[in-house]
Amino acid sequence: DAMVIQNPRYQVTQFGKPVTLSCSQTLNHNVMYWYQQKSSQAPKLLFHYYDKDFNNEADTPDNFQSRRPNTSFCFLDIRSPGLGDAAMYLCATSRGSGLQETQYFGPGTRLLVL
Amino acid sequence: KNEVEQSPQNLTAQEGEFITINCSYSVGISALHWLQQHPGGGIVSLFMLSSGKKKHGRLIATINIQEKHSSLHITASHPRDSAVYICAVNRNGGSRLTFGEGTQLTVNP
Repeated sequence: DAMVIQNPRYQVTQFGKPVTLSCSQTLNHNVMYWYQQKSSQAPKLLFHYYDKDFNNEADTPDNFQSRRPNTSFCFLDIRSPGLGDAAMYLCATSRGSGLQETQYFGPGTRLLVL
Repeated sequence: KNEVEQSPQNLTAQEGEFITINCSYSVGISALHWLQQHPGGGIVSLFMLSSGKKKHGRLIATINIQEKHSSLHITASHPRDSAVYICAVNRNGGSRLTFGEGTQLTVNP
């Protein structure tokens, strides 16, 4: 049973055309994370939500926004995708009950920018 | 210098071999994670360690807090073990993960 679901698995967009990636979870976890992973690199944290509290990483471009309308769903909006934004985008969740936590990852959405 | 370093970057083995992947870190941590990422992207958490040793099937993970070092061992390796193995740490005072660069493992039949 899928616990962290990402849609779509593959997304193609045009340069400059806004795109939204979706993540949902059935774990009722408090924390949801968005990572960007480029080829052969480690995942890079873009931002995370603790409940409704939004935490942006200092080096996340303004082009990237996020919304969490409820516990189950979190969206990543890329306002004007550039060629450099082509990457795998990973959503993850954790319980949010302590400092030592397993993160549960979704399958990722691979974004291609034409 | 990365705060979390893995070695080797790439590893090729024959089916049945014993495999070791190493991780060293330079920051204070509350936990260390070993993750597996298959082609296609999804990441699976294998272990979370704060001390000692854990075993799950053919996988064994150890950590030495004093030496700031962890190892992931795979016994009787199989082609389906081919994946990228990532070491990540929770730094003291935070739940966010700091990742190593990953080790690409290929097990040939």
